[in-house]
Amino acid sequence: GENVEQHPSTLSVQEGDSAVIKCTYSDSASNYFPWYKQELGKRPQLIIDIRSNVGEKKDQRIAVTLNKTAKHFSLHITETQPEDSAVYFCAAATGFQKLVFGTGTRLLVSP
Amino acid sequence: NAGVMQNPRHLVRRRGQEARLRCSPMKGHSHVYWYRQLPEEGLKFMVYLQKENIIDESGMPKERFSAEFPKEGPSILRIQQVVRGDSAAYFCASSPRGQGSTNEKLFFGSGTQLSVL
Repeated sequence: GENVEQHPSTLSVQEGDSAVIKCTYSDSASNYFPWYKQELGKRPQLIIDIRSNVGEKKDQRIAVTLNKTAKHFSLHITETQPEDSAVYFCAAATGFQKLVFGTGTRLLVSP
Repeated sequence: NAGVMQNPRHLVRRRGQEARLRCSPMKGHSHVYWYRQLPEEGLKFMVYLQKENIIDESGMPKERFSAEFPKEGPSILRIQQVVRGDSAAYFCASSPRGQGSTNEKLFFGSGTQLSVL
C-alpha cells in the first residue's frame, strides 16, 4: 500500500521567511496530493491540493510542487506570518479518497 | 451550508464501556470517511462508507470497532469494550463523490476526542 514520508518534523522560521515542507510517496498510482493545516485542537483544513497531471500550483503565499518521476511533492509558504504556525500534513490518494497522511510538520513562525 | 458535523466533541468512557461517535456529512455529500489521530501523529484511515454500504474497512481494527451509514441519519462509529489505547481524536470527513471521482476534496469535521479512563 501507499506510504507517505514527511520532513522535517519541526520547522522554525522567522516571520517573513519562507518555509518548505517535503513529502515522498511510494505508490506510483497515486494521483491526488492535498495539504492540510491543523491548529491545536482543531480540524484539519485543506489549504491546497494538486493532481498528478499538474507540476505546480499556487494560491497567494502558498504553492505546491509535484515531481512524479521522483515521487515527491513539496509545500512552499512565502512571507510567513505568526498565524501560519500550525501542524501541516501532506497526503496522497489513489482513486477514491482513501488519503494516506504523512506524519506532520510542526511549523513555528516567530515574530 | 453547514460543514461536517460531529458529536460529541468530547467523550469520556471507562474501560469496558461502549463509545458511539456520530457524523453528519455536508449537505449533498453521500460519502463518509472515518480517520483516527493519535496524539502527535498523523491521521490514519479507518473506513469509507456510502449510504447503507461499507466500501472499504481496511483500516478498521478487526474486533470491537464497527461503522454504519444508514439511509436516514448520521454515520456512526461504534467502539465496544473500549480500552485505554482507543483514546484518540476521531475525525469524520465527507465528499460529494467517491470511487472514480475526479473531485477528491475531503472536508473534515471538528472531531470527537475520546478519552478512556
